[in-house]
Amino acid sequence: EAQVTQNPRYLITVTGKKLTVTCSQNMNHEYMSWYRQDPGLGLRQIYYSMNVEVTDKGDVPEGYKVSRKEKRNFPLILESPSPNQTSLYFCASSPTPTTQQYFGPGTRLTVT
Amino acid sequence: SQQGEEDPQALSIQEGENATMNCSYKTSINNLQWYRQNSGRGLVHLILIRSNEREKHSGRLRVTLDTSKKSSSLLITASRAADTASYFCAEDKIIFGKGTRLHILP
Repeated sequence: EAQVTQNPRYLITVTGKKLTVTCSQNMNHEYMSWYRQDPGLGLRQIYYSMNVEVTDKGDVPEGYKVSRKEKRNFPLILESPSPNQTSLYFCASSPTPTTQQYFGPGTRLTVT
Repeated sequence: SQQGEEDPQALSIQEGENATMNCSYKTSINNLQWYRQNSGRGLVHLILIRSNEREKHSGRLRVTLDTSKKSSSLLITASRAADTASYFCAEDKIIFGKGTRLHILP
């Protein structure tokens, strides 16, 4: 089944404790991206990747890192999480940046 | 920013009625997409309309695009309770607006 998976689905952590949210797709898509969704702000793009080893900042990259060592995986790294990073995070993939995006189920992160 | 803006922000209608949502954008586009999001879940792609198309249908969905006005509309006909969701438009490089929250009343 074609899908985008994210782990964990829920995470409560403390300020400053490094964490990684994994994202994996099995559709051989070249384009992958991360979004955060906050009430009243809609979805905002954090980082995106056009292909392996090619990543770029989105609209709100501060406090985040990503890597794209393999085509299928695009982890989101928070080196030192802060409470303002409490949000709902979505990973998405697509064949190209302008075609239909396939979204993961979301990761709800709470930083205390 | 190319972020689209959906209008209205929220909409409540009776089951069976038609729901219309609008999207406006600022710059030229190659295509525009509509997505649906059920509460707390990932977005699901509904329909893509290219800049050289004026109207597109998919089941109960009808999308129009007016490039001269830089706007698009999504019409859901004969709404059902399952249509309750947030709806987002996105242009080209998938820049999302804040969405329209649609609530279908029984």
